[in-house]
Amino acid sequence: DQQVKQNSPSLSVQEGRISILNCDYTNSMFDYFLWYKKYPAEGPTFLISISSIKDKNEDGRFTVFLNKSAKHLSLHIVPSQPGDSAVYFCAAKIENAGNMLTFGGGTRLMVKP
Amino acid sequence: NAGVTQTPKFQVLKTGQSMTLQCAQDMNHEYMSWYRQDPGMGLRLIHYSVGAGITDQGEVPNGYNVSRSTTEDFPLRLLSAAPSQTSVYFCASSRDREFVDEQYFGPGTRLTVT
Repeated sequence: DQQVKQNSPSLSVQEGRISILNCDYTNSMFDYFLWYKKYPAEGPTFLISISSIKDKNEDGRFTVFLNKSAKHLSLHIVPSQPGDSAVYFCAAKIENAGNMLTFGGGTRLMVKP
Repeated sequence: NAGVTQTPKFQVLKTGQSMTLQCAQDMNHEYMSWYRQDPGMGLRLIHYSVGAGITDQGEVPNGYNVSRSTTEDFPLRLLSAAPSQTSVYFCASSRDREFVDEQYFGPGTRLTVT
């Protein structure tokens, strides 16, 4: 049973609009969450993270929101650009417990010019 | 500085064959790991190493062996390939396990087992 789920396999957004990628988790022990971005034929790259002591973390056009009670996090990209077209993975871990990451299945974002 | 390199990029094996997926990093990173990516499943950790001579199992270790004789290299061995091992394999490295968030991934090896 997947502990981290991304229920939307794909998302299409117009350039300049907001992209919202969602992620749900079931393990309440997770206390650190991350988003990775992956282009075709490349490995994933780290994008942004959030600790469970926060509910929001912002880095330029990228903001991650965490709702612990709902066990839900989301990544907002504003404004979306064609270069943001990629597969986005959310991941979670339990800090100080091996640091092993559990990944979601990914969401393919397509930003149309 | 090449980062994390993986060879080969593509490989087709017959059931029962063996092979080694190579991974090397030139950043003097202590922590290295292998993941497999299957459609809809995300990345799953196969094995990892916190330094030369030290390896441990991840989430899906069965059917795979690893060794870490040097800091730079972390090969993944399939002793008897099975169709269930058809996947894309990623090697990654980070300064140490505390920095696993910011690990650098290689470009991947796409393996097909027929």
